Amino acid sequence: DQQVKQNSPSLSVQEGRISILNCDYTNSMFDYFLWYKKYPAEGPTFLISISSIKDKNEDGRFTVFLNKSAKHLSLHIVPSQPGDSAVYFCAARRGSNYKLTFGKGTLLTVNP
Amino acid sequence: DADVTQTPRNRITKTGKRIMLECSQTKGHDRMYWYRQDPGLGLRLIYYSFDVKDINKGEISDGYSVSRQAQAKFSLSLESAIPNQTALYFCATSDGPVETQYFGPGTRLLVL
Repeated sequence: DQQVKQNSPSLSVQEGRISILNCDYTNSMFDYFLWYKKYPAEGPTFLISISSIKDKNEDGRFTVFLNKSAKHLSLHIVPSQPGDSAVYFCAARRGSNYKLTFGKGTLLTVNP
Repeated sequence: DADVTQTPRNRITKTGKRIMLECSQTKGHDRMYWYRQDPGLGLRLIYYSFDVKDINKGEISDGYSVSRQAQAKFSLSLESAIPNQTALYFCATSDGPVETQYFGPGTRLLVL
């Protein structure tokens, strides 16, 4: 049973435009959500996170929105840059258990 | 120097062979993790350790074993490698309360 779902395997956007990556989850016990970015031949790196008590968190060009009622979160990148081209993983944590459950990832391509 | 290192970075082995993947970290974190990444399946947790004396199975631990030799070292072993263990393996560390996990660069394993 896949508890964290990223239904879009890939996304292509033009440089300067907004990139929106989506993530859905099924476990209402998840209380913390994270986005990781992964370049080829490298390990994933932490990008941004949000607690379930918030609905928005912003860090520079990156904003994560959380809709608990819909069990949906999204990552907005504005403006998108070619260097943002990578695989983005959504992850979720449940309570004090420090394990993360990851989605399958979305490959973002930002075209110059 | 990298905070989380993995050796080897690439390995080719044959079915039935024993192989060990090693992970070292200089971040001083207590928690360490082993994941595997397969195309289209995202990151799946194999084993995790919250301290030297605490080791736990993840969602796909069958066919794997681990050893936490010290706070800084966490090894993953495949006792008898099989082809469907061909994957990209990542080690990660974390420290509470923020559940950001820091990943190593990965080990690409091919089992023939």
